[in-house]
Amino acid sequence: GAGVSQSPSNKVTEKGKDVELRCDPISGHTALYWYRQSLGQGLEFLIYFQGNSAPDKSGLPSDRFSAERTGGSVSTLTIQRTQQEDSAVYLCASSSLAGSLYNEQFFGPGTRLTVL
Amino acid sequence: SQKIEQNSEALNIQEGKTATLTCNYTNYSPAYLQWYRQDPGRGPVFLLLIRENEKEKRKERLKVTFDTTLKQSLFHITASQPADSATYLCASRGTGGFKTIFGAGTRLFVKA
Repeated sequence: GAGVSQSPSNKVTEKGKDVELRCDPISGHTALYWYRQSLGQGLEFLIYFQGNSAPDKSGLPSDRFSAERTGGSVSTLTIQRTQQEDSAVYLCASSSLAGSLYNEQFFGPGTRLTVL
Repeated sequence: SQKIEQNSEALNIQEGKTATLTCNYTNYSPAYLQWYRQDPGRGPVFLLLIRENEKEKRKERLKVTFDTTLKQSLFHITASQPADSATYLCASRGTGGFKTIFGAGTRLFVKA
């Protein structure tokens, strides 16, 4: 079946504008993660969803960042009043929780965000 | 804070040799470690998972070890090929939540 998809693939915005990034996980995957990856850096955890609820939001860097998930499927990450330091690749991953919390995560291709 | 550290220097090896990458963790005891491969412009792809009670795990040309005394995992690629050139990431779930901690990755170059 289809993998994790993300849109847009690239987004260029001006400082101060709001942006929305979308993630379509693999059908049936109840766990969904958002990460941020700056150039040459590892993945920085942002938020974890289990179904529609987010039991771990500990990685959101400020209150300008928020995320929601509806219908246990699509998720949207919103960044308000973007700053230049928000420029990065935003990656989404989904995972099946069936049987184990150790299950592998399937990643999307990412959205490259550039804030001018 | 809970951390995973990988050698930030790129690893250059000759085709056919064994590549060995290191992952060290600090300030926690992960129940498992995962290894992912990431190619430029793509999301990471899962390769292997090893649990804390396992000393070694193999999959085709890949081998992972987990040493809880040294707080370290080693990732080996035997008979390496140019197609193995990529960045390899080590990851684990932190304690006290659902956060997944990733290392910064080690870039591997395999020369023909």
